[in-house]
Amino acid sequence: DAKTTQPPSMDCAEGRAANLPCNHSTISGNEYVYWYRQIHSQGPQYIIHGLKNNETNEMASLIITEDRKSSTLILPHATLRDTAVYYCIVRCTPPGDSGGGADGLTFGKGTHLIIQP
Amino acid sequence: ETGVTQTPRHLVMGMTNKKSLKCEQHLGHNAMYWYKQSAKKPLELMFVYNFKEQTENNSVPSRFSPECPNSSHLFLHLHTLQPEDSALYLCASRRTGGPTNTGELFFGEGSRLTVL
Repeated sequence: DAKTTQPPSMDCAEGRAANLPCNHSTISGNEYVYWYRQIHSQGPQYIIHGLKNNETNEMASLIITEDRKSSTLILPHATLRDTAVYYCIVRCTPPGDSGGGADGLTFGKGTHLIIQP
Repeated sequence: ETGVTQTPRHLVMGMTNKKSLKCEQHLGHNAMYWYKQSAKKPLELMFVYNFKEQTENNSVPSRFSPECPNSSHLFLHLHTLQPEDSALYLCASRRTGGPTNTGELFFGEGSRLTVL
């Protein structure tokens, strides 16, 4: 799986959009971008994933650049409860796991997002 | 509530004790995972089970012994641990295969282990 680079920490004001960058310049054509977050002392929580198109769900939006070498996770209206460590992960196994594989995700250090009141 | 339940949530044990961590999911998932998270370190994948068979062991010391009796339950048996084994142990599960599968991992809340 390709390596990712994220800033170690970021601040954002409550109510503003939080934009978390991730660099994955060595991503290959069949690798997906996943985002998870971990609130203090809890298990990580899935947020969103994408291959090359921008994606949006009830939690966030994922913007992937055309060359797929970087992406941005957007939390449109950050709240204090969004304070967490955010992990950007690239993995080669398609979501459907057509091969039946059960590879575990490799987590890096992530970005500690702090929402300021 | 993710559907993955871990017990106990907190455990304190001495180096000579034997204890077990339990993970349970009724989400119909076939793959289950143990992760370790030490203070200020990234999550480390320890073991992977797929349809009850161990498919990955990331050079974990033998004082950690996993057991997967069925696809819904996963245990981590602990014996003669060291203080540096104190950490948050996280269980996760997911379904593999299928055209609509997102590959999403569902994590439990974790078991906070302290070894004295």
